[in-house]
Amino acid sequence: DSGVTQTPKHLITATGQRVTLRCSPRSGDLSVYWYQQSLDQGLQFLIQYYNGEERAKGNILERFSAQQFPDLHSELNLSSLELGDSALYFCASSGTMSYTFGSGTRLTVV
Amino acid sequence: QKEVEQDPGPLSVPEGAIVSLNCTYSNSAFQYFMWYRQYSRKGPELLMYTYSSGNKEDGRFTAQVDKSSKYISLFIRDSQPSDSATYLCAMEANAGGTSYGKLTFGQGTILTVHP
Repeated sequence: DSGVTQTPKHLITATGQRVTLRCSPRSGDLSVYWYQQSLDQGLQFLIQYYNGEERAKGNILERFSAQQFPDLHSELNLSSLELGDSALYFCASSGTMSYTFGSGTRLTVV
Repeated sequence: QKEVEQDPGPLSVPEGAIVSLNCTYSNSAFQYFMWYRQYSRKGPELLMYTYSSGNKEDGRFTAQVDKSSKYISLFIRDSQPSDSATYLCAMEANAGGTSYGKLTFGQGTILTVHP
């Protein structure tokens, strides 16, 4: 157990729908990151939050949004889903000298 | 051109072999270098990290960084079947204070160690 908790582990949904992925960081970590992993693109950075504030944005689509709550858990919202959004979505958290990933949410859009 | 290039393999070696995994990068701003291991359907697990040129050893694993050549390597000695996984190099440019920035990953090398 890495200490980073992601739910749900699997999600199957239809095109056009909206889903929410949840992440609880390791105890004491203030930063949360979201990554997308697909076969053709590898692991791609989406967005980072630090103590509730957005800190950095990567290749995140406008249909996707995220937030970090006062208790430091984070949610990634994916809307108007397309077949190409099917991927593994990982959350990571970091503190001093550590960068730890969760087990991921496997999203399948049908 | 991608910022980080990694040979995707696959790499197949016999048990006990020395494995060499490599990445090259183009962004001179990268300061921290990490190697992750990812088993099928699992999250990446941090194996090694370093921020300076030279070698860092941890058990059977040695991470090597050559900033002048923009080249990093991971060596696995006495490889075991349990080492079979995808190995990802990752780099970070904005670390400071109490938080890292985004990681830029290589494509990953699939390694199989057969008995």
